[in-house]
Amino acid sequence: EIVMTQSPATLSLSPGERATLSCRASQSVRSNLAWFQQKPGQAPRLLIYAASDRATGVPARFSGSGSGTEFTLTISSLQSEDFAVYFCQHYENWFGAFGQGTKVEIK
Amino acid sequence: QVTLRVSGPALVKPTETLTLSCDFSGFSLKTNGMCVSWLRQSPGKSLEWLALIDWDFVPHYNTSLKTRLTLSKDTSDNKVVLTMTDLDPDDTATYFCARMFRAAYLDYWAQGALVAVSS
Repeated sequence: EIVMTQSPATLSLSPGERATLSCRASQSVRSNLAWFQQKPGQAPRLLIYAASDRATGVPARFSGSGSGTEFTLTISSLQSEDFAVYFCQHYENWFGAFGQGTKVEIK
Repeated sequence: QVTLRVSGPALVKPTETLTLSCDFSGFSLKTNGMCVSWLRQSPGKSLEWLALIDWDFVPHYNTSLKTRLTLSKDTSDNKVVLTMTDLDPDDTATYFCARMFRAAYLDYWAQGALVAVSS
């Protein structure tokens, strides 16, 4: 079973700052990696698939990179609506695991 | 426009059976590579897979919960139904259905339904 580990658990930043979130897979998932944003009381929203492709309607300030076992989600300049929890998930096989999440909070 | 909606009871007693429906529109489950997935999220936790049904209407289950789950397509082409037996308070969670695109990533999600298991 592939385990996904995200770091840090919490990221405290101010609006306008750059956010860098990390996700590590316990074995290679090639580029089969998605990133989701979740706000309280809402369903996850797909941001990135195939490690670096933005989903429809996702602002350009969100970018994904990496392959194999190391992945990064970058938010170039945080907007107020970006403070949320972010999950990575692999789909190297069905029922791909999610990471435990990174909370991006206002500093 | 792709939409999904979960419906079901908000409260279930321990040992009872939970039945949840996922009504969807804007896509066909008959399309190759299209799946409807079920996941849940306990308060403050990450997401846990439950099951998915593929474009041949074949259900697939998370092995850890397989003995308790049944997933099927309703007679309507736009609804799938998940049942979970022998509910326990640890099953208290928000239950989501989501579309899996190209048999790969989850691109559209339902709002989710909070189910509490309590006597």
